[in-house]
Amino acid sequence: AQTVTQSQPEMSVQEAETVTLSCTYDTSESDYYLFWYKQPPSRQMILVIRQEAYKQQNATENRFSVNFQKAAKSFSLKISDSQLGDAAMYFCAYRSALAGANSKLTFGKGITLSVRP
Amino acid sequence: GAVVSQHPSRVICKSGTSVKIECRSLDFQATTMFWYRQFPKKSLMLMATSNEGSKATYEQGVEKDKFLINHASLTLSTLTVTSAHPEDSSFYICSARALTGAPNSPLHFGNGTRLTVT
Repeated sequence: AQTVTQSQPEMSVQEAETVTLSCTYDTSESDYYLFWYKQPPSRQMILVIRQEAYKQQNATENRFSVNFQKAAKSFSLKISDSQLGDAAMYFCAYRSALAGANSKLTFGKGITLSVRP
Repeated sequence: GAVVSQHPSRVICKSGTSVKIECRSLDFQATTMFWYRQFPKKSLMLMATSNEGSKATYEQGVEKDKFLINHASLTLSTLTVTSAHPEDSSFYICSARALTGAPNSPLHFGNGTRLTVT
């Protein structure tokens, strides 16, 4: 079974600074997808960024980028120019490329990010 | 964008009663929907995978008779918490992926339902 580990329960960043959230995973599969989701106090799950395992290039979405290290099974999220609205719980998630639509998401424990004004 | 509507957003019920939570994909069809449970400041735990027209697949440790799931159409799945008890109080979230979505397409989540059993 696949596991996703987020070892840092909390992090804090100064507004406008950069912060990196760590995530590691364990799998025996070679083809899979990785995601970062944001959950603000409203508790709505919001997709931040996604990465296909077969792609070597790291995904980027505006201020958000990932450092995907397939051999090390590491998938960290970097938030640049942090904003107050970035304060939320962030979840790293794994999904197998097998099983098609039935393929479920496996979440890490999450990390609570606070942004200091 | 793909929208998943979950209803109700909050519900308070008395112990022993049943509560139904609806999850609808508004602008896409989904053969598969997923039901998660989340405790405060904790991660999302998958309860079951709901498949249109067939029985749901439950995760280990989830009581099938306690959490009844019905996926009657390509746009609607329901979760019924039967004979609710205070320990069932939690935040329940549904999610769905578009039937015609690309392999890397993400799950779309409902806004969740906060269930409080008194």
